[in-house]
Amino acid sequence: EVKLLESGGGLVQPGGSLRLSCAASGFTFTDFYMSWIRQPPGKAPEWLGVIRNKANGYTTEYNPSVKGRFTISRDNTQNILYLQMNTLRAEDTAIYYCARDYPGPMDAWGQGASVTVSS
Amino acid sequence: DIQMTQSPASLSASLEEIVTITCKASQGIDDYLSWYQQKPGKSPQLLIYDATSLADGVPSRFSGSRSGTQYSLKISRPQVDDSGIYYCLQSYSTPYTFGAGTKLELK
Repeated sequence: EVKLLESGGGLVQPGGSLRLSCAASGFTFTDFYMSWIRQPPGKAPEWLGVIRNKANGYTTEYNPSVKGRFTISRDNTQNILYLQMNTLRAEDTAIYYCARDYPGPMDAWGQGASVTVSS
Repeated sequence: DIQMTQSPASLSASLEEIVTITCKASQGIDDYLSWYQQKPGKSPQLLIYDATSLADGVPSRFSGSRSGTQYSLKISRPQVDDSGIYYCLQSYSTPYTFGAGTKLELK
């Protein structure tokens, strides 16, 4: 069974940093792209970025809305995906999801990690 | 960025109806279009991918289609459990973009 479990969310002050983790199991982690998506309260999801699979060199792409502040990485020995978030703003308050991506659709999502940016 | 214009924003349907939700892409997306259902407090669940393929375990009353750059999700004889918010997602080019969502209420 494919499982994704986010952790690391919480309350952070504006300008602060936070690192989210996503522990993956039930599939060959290195075969898949992995994406991060966030969803502000009451709004539609927003795709943040992707880290590609081994065959594509683990390269990354980001939404321009977070490029330069957010960094996606992966530990392929422990099957963990990371999202490093810096210079956080109030508008970054959201539920953050990791999702299994290409090849195939984003078919498995974690339960989400809540991030609140507030003083 | 590719814009996904989703409509309607909300609808109320009876259990006898056929429900149709549409997403119009601002340019061609080569059927890289998925549909998701989200219930309160839960993560989105995949219903349809590649515009017309039914995801594993999804009831056959859900179906997807395309006409030009307009994509549709149809729910035939919806069940009460189909209430929720539905989103489309294009994954043709980055940044991937979601539609604004359709809130479905079953009467």
